[in-house]
Amino acid sequence: DSGVTQTPKHLITATGQRVTLRCSPRSGDLSVYWYQQSLDQGLQFLIQYYNGEERAKGNILERFSAQQFPDLHSELNLSSLELGDSALYFCASSVGFRGTGELFFGEGSRLTVL
Amino acid sequence: DQQVKQNSPSLSVQEGRISILNCDYTNSMFDYFLWYKKYPAEGPTFLISISSIKDKNEDGRFTVFLNKSAKHLSLHIVPSQPGDSAVYFCAASASNDYKLSFGAGTTVTVRA
Repeated sequence: DSGVTQTPKHLITATGQRVTLRCSPRSGDLSVYWYQQSLDQGLQFLIQYYNGEERAKGNILERFSAQQFPDLHSELNLSSLELGDSALYFCASSVGFRGTGELFFGEGSRLTVL
Repeated sequence: DQQVKQNSPSLSVQEGRISILNCDYTNSMFDYFLWYKKYPAEGPTFLISISSIKDKNEDGRFTVFLNKSAKHLSLHIVPSQPGDSAVYFCAASASNDYKLSFGAGTTVTVRA
């Protein structure tokens, strides 16, 4: 158990819909990262928050947005969903905000868009 | 642009033998490298790391080698055990950056 909690574990929805994925980081971790893993692909970095502020942005679509709340949990919002958005979405957390430390990953949220 | 590449999607090895996983990177600013291991239905977990000031780091059965001039690193698992069957991701970061860049992963199957 990494200490990072993601909900929901599985989500099936239709094209055009909007979903919200939630992540609770490990106790004491201030950084939250979101990664997307599509079929047969590596983990693609989407976005990072540190103590409530956006720190880094990767290949995140404009239809996607995220935020980190004062209690440090984070939500990833995916809207106008397309078939290609079907993927495993991972949240990770770390103590610091540099990418040089170990990240602790949640079990992921599997999104299926039909 | 994939800055971290794992060109072998899969590897099959007999129990007790050595597993060698390879990883190449293109960004010369990368100075910290990690390997993560992932079992089905679980998130990736940290396995071993190496800083660019070293060329080797060892932790039990796992050793990571770094060749900076070739922009190449490898993970050796000796001896391989059935519990090592998993997907292994190579990752890299730069000290002036905030994120880890991951490769596509190599699925290791250890045969009994």
